Amino acid sequence: QSVVTQPPSASGTPGQRVTISCSGSNSNIGRNTVNWFKQLPGTAPQLLIYNNNQRPSGVPDRFSGSKSGTSASLAISGLQSEDEADYYCVAWDVSLNVWVFGGGTKLTVL
Amino acid sequence: EVQLVESGGGVVQPGGSLRLSCAASGFTLSSYWMSWVRQAPGKGLEWVANIKQDGSEKYYVGSVRGRFTISRENAKNSLYLQMNSLRVEDTAVYYCATTSGWSSGNYWGQGTLVTVSS
Repeated sequence: QSVVTQPPSASGTPGQRVTISCSGSNSNIGRNTVNWFKQLPGTAPQLLIYNNNQRPSGVPDRFSGSKSGTSASLAISGLQSEDEADYYCVAWDVSLNVWVFGGGTKLTVL
Repeated sequence: EVQLVESGGGVVQPGGSLRLSCAASGFTLSSYWMSWVRQAPGKGLEWVANIKQDGSEKYYVGSVRGRFTISRENAKNSLYLQMNSLRVEDTAVYYCATTSGWSSGNYWGQGTLVTVSS
């Protein structure tokens, strides 16, 4: 069981807005910034959001991140079929001195 | 072109050892904290270990501490993971990745599969 929790699945129809939550504790999300990754089957993860809400160049502005207290969220607006993937949040844990990934959320575009 | 290329994976018996390598090109490895992240078949991502730019700090997830050793050779733009006393539960695809300087870019290798089986 991960110390950072995500819902195992989420879904939406094309054009919809979906959010994925990420819940941690005062030793990780509450103390440090959160990054989000997207992973397609058989490929390496791709950085979507860093420092809670910053997008790397090339990431569409349909993707946004936020953080409040010990929780963070990834929002995807204007859902597209190519958004179907696994999404992971991650934060540094100051008590364990490890990066802690959430368990991942499988997003299905209906 | 920016690339990270892992090598060294394979099949090993429980209790055996493997050394993974990660060769960087197109960017300066020495500018980044580097990590190894693994993914067991059908499972999520698990961070394994990281190392500071100059190698002076290293951290490990509890399940591998004392068995795995991360190291780097900046002059060769390379990262390593020495894995000893391997267990069946260490079976996974192992990725090397940059884990700092996020605004400058985040790079991952394609992964190398380690299978621990008798």
